[in-house]
Amino acid sequence: DTAVSQTPKYLVTQMGNDKSIKCEQNLGHDTMYWYKQDSKKFLKIMFSYNNKELIINETVPNRFSPKSPDKAHLNLHINSLELGDSAVYFCASSSGQPGNTIYFGEGSWLTVV
Amino acid sequence: GDSVTQMEGPVTLSEEAFLTINCTYTATGYPSLFWYVQYPGEGLQLLLKATKADDKGSNKGFEATYRKETTSFHLEKGSVQVSDSAVYFCALGGGADGLTFGKGTHLIIQP
Repeated sequence: DTAVSQTPKYLVTQMGNDKSIKCEQNLGHDTMYWYKQDSKKFLKIMFSYNNKELIINETVPNRFSPKSPDKAHLNLHINSLELGDSAVYFCASSSGQPGNTIYFGEGSWLTVV
Repeated sequence: GDSVTQMEGPVTLSEEAFLTINCTYTATGYPSLFWYVQYPGEGLQLLLKATKADDKGSNKGFEATYRKETTSFHLEKGSVQVSDSAVYFCALGGGADGLTFGKGTHLIIQP
């Protein structure tokens, strides 16, 4: 049983398109996140949700919009894709308590051409 | 704001060598500290963690001790294997604010 699962794993799309990445966790966690990993492997948080409410919204273009239909799901919608959006996007979840482990999904490799 | 600094690689070692990857942090208060590992083409896995000063995290032969006085959390392993080749990330925080990561250290172990 995969704890944090995200789909698709690979996505190649053209500039200007709109795409979504879905994420689900079966750990019963209250908090979910989206991270972006750039080509140099640097990881940066994009969004954090706790009980379906937005907690963190880092400096991310408003073309990126997270949506949490319930505690177990946090989807990422990206409008008008740009070349610079090419990256690996990781979904993650935790109980939300400091010190508790944050569990990551396998990542979604997005390539914009 | 909080930040994590770790040695940048690649770090290349021979099999059975001793490994140290340095990590220092800047933060308010006493955050929890983590090491995550990313194998090629895979996601991030927790390697070990420590939640308070002087705690030692350990897993799979790796160890790191939370040193408040030097604000450090260096990763060590006594004898590395080829299968340890990966990117290692030091991180702090957790909770609803998520993790602040270092830039990652690419480790290459040669047979």
